[in-house]
Amino acid sequence: DIQMTQSPSSLSASVGDRVTITCRASQSISTYLNWYHQKPGKAPRLLVHAASILQSGVPSRFSGTGSGTDFTLTISSLQPEDFATYYCEQSYSTPVTFGQGTKLQIK
Amino acid sequence: EVQLVQSGAEVKKPGESLRISCQGSGNNFNSFYISWVRQMPGKGLEWMGRIAPTDSYTNYSPSFQGHVTISIDKSISTAYLQWGSLKASDTAMYYCVRQTDAESGFIYWGQGTLVTVSS
Repeated sequence: DIQMTQSPSSLSASVGDRVTITCRASQSISTYLNWYHQKPGKAPRLLVHAASILQSGVPSRFSGTGSGTDFTLTISSLQPEDFATYYCEQSYSTPVTFGQGTKLQIK
Repeated sequence: EVQLVQSGAEVKKPGESLRISCQGSGNNFNSFYISWVRQMPGKGLEWMGRIAPTDSYTNYSPSFQGHVTISIDKSISTAYLQWGSLKASDTAMYYCVRQTDAESGFIYWGQGTLVTVSS
């Protein structure tokens, strides 16, 4: 199985901050990397697919980069609605695997 | 717009069987994989397996192989997740999810079905 490791596991930040979350795959996954966020009590929502393609309707303050084994999700200016848990996911091979999550909290 | 509507919460005893469902609406429910994702209380997301609606081919995570069965009824655009013998450790929220192609990610999510297994 491909292991996905996110860092940090948790992060405190303020509205307006620029935030970066990283995700590392245990082997190369090309650009088969997707990012989600999840708010308490809700289903996850796809933000970025294929490493860098913003999903329709997702604000442009979100961006994704990377290929191979190292990926990042950046939020350029945090908004109150962005405080959530973020997950990366690889779809390069089955079993599909997720990172352990990054909880983004208000400072 | 594609929607995935899951069956309601369940409370079961260890050893009981269960089948939960996920009905799709909108375009192309039967066009690409339907997967199931588990989220245990306070924990992260785990992919359980998927089914190809075109030929009902299934692919399971080794962590779930042999413990659950994924099936589909294309005539009513409904996918199922089934247990033959539940354990307390199956207590979790279960999501059905759909992608539109190999690189799309899980675009569409059901609202989740909470399964509680307790004696």
